[in-house]
Order: sequence, then structure tokens, then C-alpha cells
Amino acid sequence: QKEVEQNSGPLSVPEGAIASLNCTYSDRGSQSFFWYRQYSGKSPELIMFIYSNGDKEDGRFTAQLNKASQYVSLLIRDSQPSDSATYLCAVTFGSARQLTFGSGTQLTVLP
Amino acid sequence: NAGVMQNPRHLVRRRGQEARLRCSPMKGHSHVYWYRQLPEEGLKFMVYLQKENIIDESGMPKERFSAEFPKEGPSILRIQQVVRGDSAAYFCASSPAAHTDTQYFGPGTRLTVL
Repeated sequence: QKEVEQNSGPLSVPEGAIASLNCTYSDRGSQSFFWYRQYSGKSPELIMFIYSNGDKEDGRFTAQLNKASQYVSLLIRDSQPSDSATYLCAVTFGSARQLTFGSGTQLTVLP
Repeated sequence: NAGVMQNPRHLVRRRGQEARLRCSPMKGHSHVYWYRQLPEEGLKFMVYLQKENIIDESGMPKERFSAEFPKEGPSILRIQQVVRGDSAAYFCASSPAAHTDTQYFGPGTRLTVL
């Protein structure tokens, strides 16, 4: 069973803090890993993708991938109220091109 | 540089009617994916298409749903004889050629079945 799991939250952090979002997946044949942000009533917006073990940084965002432990995380530094949204973890498995999404983690950044 | 375009943005249908949802991928993208997001649920894959070909329809309900991506024009997701359970947000995503999985989403079509 190919699954992607996330804590649904809600996760609340104060403004300026680091928000840590986690995602685990069930299949070792996974290929690519993505984080999307979705504001209420809007479409998913790509934040980051990561293919290899280790860290990948882009501005205030850092994605971390550990294939041996089958988890991928997203760190948001200096969190802002505008970061308040649902964060979706997505994975592609094997040769399939479609994304399998987790249920999302709702993040609230408190001013 | 236009992103993925979807229309209509909102669609209201009565039970038993047909719904047609359109998606134009980003310029230079030849791969189109359709996803459905039911109220209070996650995004679920429905179908993956390239021009004139359905590559993977493993997420598509077996009845009433069909999709196409013709040589000319947008990709179309068609739902026949809609039921209330079809009410959802339908998102289209596109990606460039086969060397990347990165998908960019359109604004979605919110379908309401009365």
C-alpha cells in the first residue's frame, strides 16, 4: 500500500519561530518528494521539491529527506502570519508520474 | 508567462446533467494531470494524459468520468450524469517533458451539484 502520512495538526507557532512539518511514506520505491502550500479555497502552490537524501534550502524553507527512515520534512524559518496555510506533502512512487498526497498539516503562525 | 489555466472556475449543475471542465497547461508543458479534492479530504489523483494519449487513469471512477487531451485545444474532464457526491474541487496540473515530475497546479474548478 503506497501511502503518505502527515500529522493533520493544527500546528501553531509564534511569529519568528521555526515551524517543522513532517511527512512519512510507506514505499521504498518512492522517487520524488514535494511540498505544496494550499491556502483555504485556493489551489496547491509548489514550495520545494527534493530528490536526494539530505537537506535542500530555498530562502526561509529547508526540505530534509531521509530515504532510509522514509521521511521528509519541511522547516520554515522566521515564520510569518502569511505562512498560515495547509502544507501538503506529495510523493511519486516507482515509475508512476502522479503525485500521492498526504492529508496535509494546517499551520497557524500567531502574530 | 501564463500558468495553468482552468475554466470555468465555478460550475453548478443539477443531478443528472453533464459537467465539462477544461484545462490548458503551462506553455511548453505536454503532460496534464487531473486531481480531485473532496470537501475536508485530501487531493486524489484521477488521470494522467499526454497529447492524444491517456497514460494512466487508475484514479478515475469507472463510470461517468472520462478525460481527453486532444492534439489541439485544452484537456477536458467530463462527468456525465453528475451526482451530489461529485461536488468537489477539480484541479489540473501540468509538467514539462518526461525528465521531471514537478507539477504546477491551476486554480481549480469548484463543481457544485444541486
